[in-house]
Amino acid sequence: DAEITQSPRHKITETGRQVTLACHQTWNHNNMFWYRQDLGHGLRLIHYSYGVHDTNKGEVSDGYSVSRSNTEDLPLTLESAASSQTSVYFCASSASVNYGYTFGSGTRLTVV
Amino acid sequence: GENVEQHPSTLSVQEGDSAVIKCTYSDSASNYFPWYKQELGKRPQLIIDIRSNVGEKKDQRIAVTLNKTAKHFSLHITETQPEDSAVYFCAASEGGTYKYIFGTGTRLKVLA
Repeated sequence: DAEITQSPRHKITETGRQVTLACHQTWNHNNMFWYRQDLGHGLRLIHYSYGVHDTNKGEVSDGYSVSRSNTEDLPLTLESAASSQTSVYFCASSASVNYGYTFGSGTRLTVV
Repeated sequence: GENVEQHPSTLSVQEGDSAVIKCTYSDSASNYFPWYKQELGKRPQLIIDIRSNVGEKKDQRIAVTLNKTAKHFSLHITETQPEDSAVYFCAASEGGTYKYIFGTGTRLKVLA
């Protein structure tokens, strides 16, 4: 069955370190998204991609970057981790406009 | 850009009663409105959606209504059960794009 997987599930890192969160989907979806989830803020869009070599900034993109070298993967990189980036990160993909997202299982990141 | 407001933030109902969650959006070009259910520690999952050319959609005990003129949409759950307890998120597409802006969530508790 097609799926979307995130790794790692949990990560603890130190302030200032570079961290990469992986997202891999086998739905063959062109559209992929990264959100962060924090209490009181819901899900906020970090970056998104509509296809290979396409990347776009979302509403909370500062300190994050993504790259899209193939259809299946959209890794999220924190260039220099900060305590404010402690959060749960969800990757999602969608087939087309006006179709719901399929979310990954999430990565809980703690920056100490 | 799109802004989505969701109310209430918490909602407690007795088992068997109905629950209503309301959202408003700001972008008149938004044309897709999904609802997600997130159980504790799990990923958000799509439960129902509505497109702008439809005023109401129903799926068993769940229904969604859309008022484009007033820019608001609502989730209705009838005959609530303990397994309906979760956090519910509304979302709206930004214009005709694949990007969805989420509300801040409603924690629904169904009391047995």
